[in-house]
Order: sequence, then C-alpha cells, then structure tokens
Amino acid sequence: AQTVTQSQPEMSVQEAETVTLSCTYDTSESDYYLFWYKQPPSRQMILVIRQEAYKQQNATENRFSVNFQKAAKSFSLKISDSQLGDAAMYFCVSMEYGNKLVFGAGTILRVKS
Amino acid sequence: NAGVTQTPKFQVLKTGQSMTLQCAQDMNHEYMSWYRQDPGMGLRLIHYSVGAGITDQGEVPNGYNVSRSTTEDFPLRLLSAAPSQTSVYFCASSLNIWGTEAFFGQGTRLTVV
Repeated sequence: AQTVTQSQPEMSVQEAETVTLSCTYDTSESDYYLFWYKQPPSRQMILVIRQEAYKQQNATENRFSVNFQKAAKSFSLKISDSQLGDAAMYFCVSMEYGNKLVFGAGTILRVKS
Repeated sequence: NAGVTQTPKFQVLKTGQSMTLQCAQDMNHEYMSWYRQDPGMGLRLIHYSVGAGITDQGEVPNGYNVSRSTTEDFPLRLLSAAPSQTSVYFCASSLNIWGTEAFFGQGTRLTVV
C-alpha cells in the first residue's frame, strides 16, 4: 500500500519570502501521480500542482513549483513570494493506477505580514 | 457551475442514530468517492464508485454504506452512528481517467455524541 509522509506539522513564512514544504512517499509502482492540495480555513480542497512520475521535468504553476526526486521518493513544494492568501493546510497526495488518493497528514502553513 | 455539492454542512447525531450524507455532482464525472478527515491523519478513503451501479470499499469502510444509482449522486449512509465517526466528510468526483484532478465538495462536519 502507498504511504505519504509529511514531517512538518506546521511551517511559518514571512510575506514575500519563499518556503518549502516536504513530502516523502512510498510506492511499489513505476508510474503514478503526485499532487499538492491546499485547504484554506473554508475547508475547500484546491488543487495546487500535479506531477506525473514518468515526467522528469518538475511541475510549475506560477509561484508554486515542485522538486520531484523519484529515486529518493521525495516531492517537495516550493512557494515563492508568499502571500497572505497562501495560509492554509497543504496536503501531499499520491495516486497509483485508478483514482484512489492517499493523503499525507498535512502541513499547516502560516504567513506572517 | 455548482461542481460537487454536499449536504448538510454540519450535523450532530446521537449514538445509534442513522443518517445519510448527500453528494451530488453536475460535471458528468464517472468516478466518485468519500473521504473522512481526522486531525493529524489527512483524508482517508471510505468508499468509491467508478460508475452507476458499481461501488467498492476504500481504506476505512466499516460502519458506512454507499450506493450509486445515478451518475450524479453518491450518498453515504451511517447505519448506527458511533462517536468514532465524528469527523469531517468529503465527497469528491473526477473523470475516470487516471491522474485527472479530483473536485471536492465543501465537506460535512459530523459530531456523534
């Protein structure tokens, strides 16, 4: 079974600075998808970024980018130019074949003004 | 564009009572699923469905029943509520294509006393 580990229960960042959220995962599959989802206080789950394992290039979406290290089974999220609206719980999520999602425990990100 | 709609948003039940959490999507998605979110544990899969008439168990199915009579609706039933079922419940839907984005409802906060 897949497992996803987020070792940082909470992180803080100053507005306009950069922060990196860590994630490691375990899977026996050679191909799979990885995601970062954001959950603000409204509880809504919002997709931040997606990475397919066979693609070597790291995914980027505006201020959000990932560092995907397949051999190390590591999938960190970098947020550049942090904004107050980035404050949320962030979940690292994996998906093997089929659409079942496996979530990490989450990292609460606080943004200081 | 409603997306995924869950009702109710909040519910308090007494131990032993039954209830149904409703989930409806208007995106013609084949794949629908239910997750529960508990502190420190991320989201865990309860049940899922790949289309009308087809359901299967996820990681934590005990105490919950589902059915899928239409593409749009995927209700979750608690037959005899227990305090251990106090949680936030999320319904999600997606195309039945591997790797596609999952869209989530806004969640139901359920308290069993």
